[in-house]
Amino acid sequence: EPEVTQTPSHQVTQMGQEVILRCVPISNHLYFYWYRQILGQKVEFLVSFYNNEISEKSEIFDDQFSVERPDGSNFTLKIRSTKLEDSAMYFCASSVAGEKSEKLFFGSGTQLSVL
Amino acid sequence: AQKITQTQPGMFVQEKEAVTLDCTYDTSDQSYGLFWYKQPSSGEMIFLIYQGSYDEQNATEGRYSLNFQKARKSANLVISASQLGDSAMYFCAMRDWGNAGNMLTFGGGTRLMVKP
Repeated sequence: EPEVTQTPSHQVTQMGQEVILRCVPISNHLYFYWYRQILGQKVEFLVSFYNNEISEKSEIFDDQFSVERPDGSNFTLKIRSTKLEDSAMYFCASSVAGEKSEKLFFGSGTQLSVL
Repeated sequence: AQKITQTQPGMFVQEKEAVTLDCTYDTSDQSYGLFWYKQPSSGEMIFLIYQGSYDEQNATEGRYSLNFQKARKSANLVISASQLGDSAMYFCAMRDWGNAGNMLTFGGGTRLMVKP
């Protein structure tokens, strides 16, 4: 079964540094998402992306965050200047058409640790 | 605002027995979808089952079924014949078809542990 691929699986960075989390969504999917899960807390929506632009974003997704689809396969999340509270598991997800009843396919996540 | 509540932080079940994981939700919209995901220790999120608010039948997918009680705003996951591989975190999630757009709102999760 096709899957969403995320790299790296673990990322350690110093506070204030920029990080880029990478994702390869399923090839025929058109909608892409980033979620995060702080240890012991709920999975939280960050942003959705369609047709090369952000379609929806949460309050968490402030000016420090940006997303990009630099080519036909990759979907990236950039955190410009990391903070301690950005430490979390970051999940990329994709769906075919963004229908309301449609399931999201999630990647295995990138564990980001900000020191 | 949407809210998903999973009141059982952790549960034990004996192998081969059935278990029910609770999920209640709160929304003012009439049209919505409810999802259950499994998160094993490896971390990935695996889709299990979906129920639409207008679906008349309870959803079933193999050993998974969803006990959907719309009036009570509950969407409990039932796992029949539990297996050791069912040990994982289970998340209930909702997509509100109205104001919330396409995002999923997740509950806090239930950690299920299957005993041999």
